Amino acid sequence: AQKITQTQPGMFVQEKEAVTLDCTYDTSDQSYGLFWYKQPSSGEMIFLIYQGSYDEQNATEGRYSLNFQKARKSANLVISASQLGDSAMYFCAMRATLLPYSSASKIIFGSGTRLSIRP
Amino acid sequence: EAGVAQSPRYKIIEKRQSVAFWCNPISGHATLYWYQQILGQGPKLLIQFQNNGVVDDSQLPKDRFSAERLKGVDSTLKIQPAKLEDSAVYLCASSLFRTGSKEDSPLHFGNGTRLTVT
Repeated sequence: AQKITQTQPGMFVQEKEAVTLDCTYDTSDQSYGLFWYKQPSSGEMIFLIYQGSYDEQNATEGRYSLNFQKARKSANLVISASQLGDSAMYFCAMRATLLPYSSASKIIFGSGTRLSIRP
Repeated sequence: EAGVAQSPRYKIIEKRQSVAFWCNPISGHATLYWYQQILGQGPKLLIQFQNNGVVDDSQLPKDRFSAERLKGVDSTLKIQPAKLEDSAVYLCASSLFRTGSKEDSPLHFGNGTRLTVT
C-alpha cells in the first residue's frame, strides 16, 4: 500500500539550531516524487521542496534540504539555522500511482509534524 | 500569477443541511484536487480532476458528497446532507502536472474553507 509515515507528532528546537523532520514512505512504484509542505497557524499550505525518485542529488532550496535515502525509503527535511517563523506544521507528501502499471497518480500526505521554535 | 481562489472562507451549518464550496484554480493548471483536512491531521484526498474528467474519487463519500468541474476550470464541492464528522477544512489545490507527464510539479493550495457542522 502507498503510505507516508511521519513519526514525530511534535518537536521543539532552539532558534538558530538545525532540525531534521523525519518522513518514510512505502511504494512499489519505480518512479515517484516526494514533497514537503509547511502549514502555519494561518492555514495556508506552502510548498517547500521536491525530490524526484531518479534524482541523484539531494534537493536543496535555501535553508531547506531533503535528505533522500532511497534504499531506506526515507525523505527527511532538514532546516538549517531555524527561525521563529519556521514554527508550523510540516507535511511530507508523495506522488503515487493510482493503480499498478497506471500513469494516473495522486498525491498523498503524512500526518504531519508540529515544529515549535524556542527563542 | 493569481493563486488558487476558494470561497467561502468560513461556513457554519447545522447537521443535515447542505453546503457548497467553490474553487478557481491557477490559470492553465490541468489538475484540480479537493482535500479534506480534519483538525490535527494531514490532508485527505477526496477527488482529483484532470481537465473536466475525474481521475480519482475513491475516498469521496458519494452518498453525501459530490463534485464537478465544468469546462475544466472552476470546481464546486457539495455536501448534502452534512454530518457532524464533516467539520474540517476543505482545501482546493491545482497543479500543472498531467497524467503520463515526465515533469512533476507541486500542488498550489487555496486558503481553504473551514466548515463547522453543529
